[in-house]
Amino acid sequence: AQSVAQPEDQVNVAEGNPLTVKCTYSVSGNPYLFWYVQYPNRGLQFLLKYITGDNLVKGSYGFEAEFNKSQTSFHLKKPSALVSDSALYFCAVRDKAYSSASKIIFGSGTRLSIRP
Amino acid sequence: EAGVTQFPSHSVIEKGQTVTLRCDPISGHDNLYWYRRVMGKEIKFLLHFVKESKQDESGMPNNRFLAERTGGTYSTLKVQPAELEDSGVYFCASSTLGGVDTEAFFGQGTRLTVV
Repeated sequence: AQSVAQPEDQVNVAEGNPLTVKCTYSVSGNPYLFWYVQYPNRGLQFLLKYITGDNLVKGSYGFEAEFNKSQTSFHLKKPSALVSDSALYFCAVRDKAYSSASKIIFGSGTRLSIRP
Repeated sequence: EAGVTQFPSHSVIEKGQTVTLRCDPISGHDNLYWYRRVMGKEIKFLLHFVKESKQDESGMPNNRFLAERTGGTYSTLKVQPAELEDSGVYFCASSTLGGVDTEAFFGQGTRLTVV
């Protein structure tokens, strides 16, 4: 079965520093990976996705994620953190390779806190 | 274009009562999903509609949960009778019928508290 794991419940970073939110995956077949963000009192928002192609995927709000097949990881990164990046981040994977009837399977979430 | 909307945003009910959550997907989206996040844990899949048909309801925890999507438009999720462990945030999402890279759009969620 497809799954993702987020090993950190919380990540604390100073504003202006680079940030990394970790995610590892376990899939059979090709992975279809996503990152979503939930800001306070808001719904989940799509950040970026990896389907095929370049291992470095760029997304919204200056975020990017690096797909690493050998390490089965899909870490979310940003070169310079902003206080407004403070939110809950979810890594996710599609559970079926060949159909939009597949469902999205989420990790447990990582709370990112950026201090001024 | 309106996004996915959910109603109510918050609900506090007593154990044993009934609650109905509503989700209005983006117009034209045939896929509709329900998810739930219990405090501090992962967002868990509940079920998936394609138009008015249940494609996958493997995540529904028990028969106290009933989801419907009459006419393939909005969906309701009823919990009857509610138990304490049903507390959490219930998310709805919708997407078009497409490939595996199809993005799902989420609502803001309904926070359900059973006391």
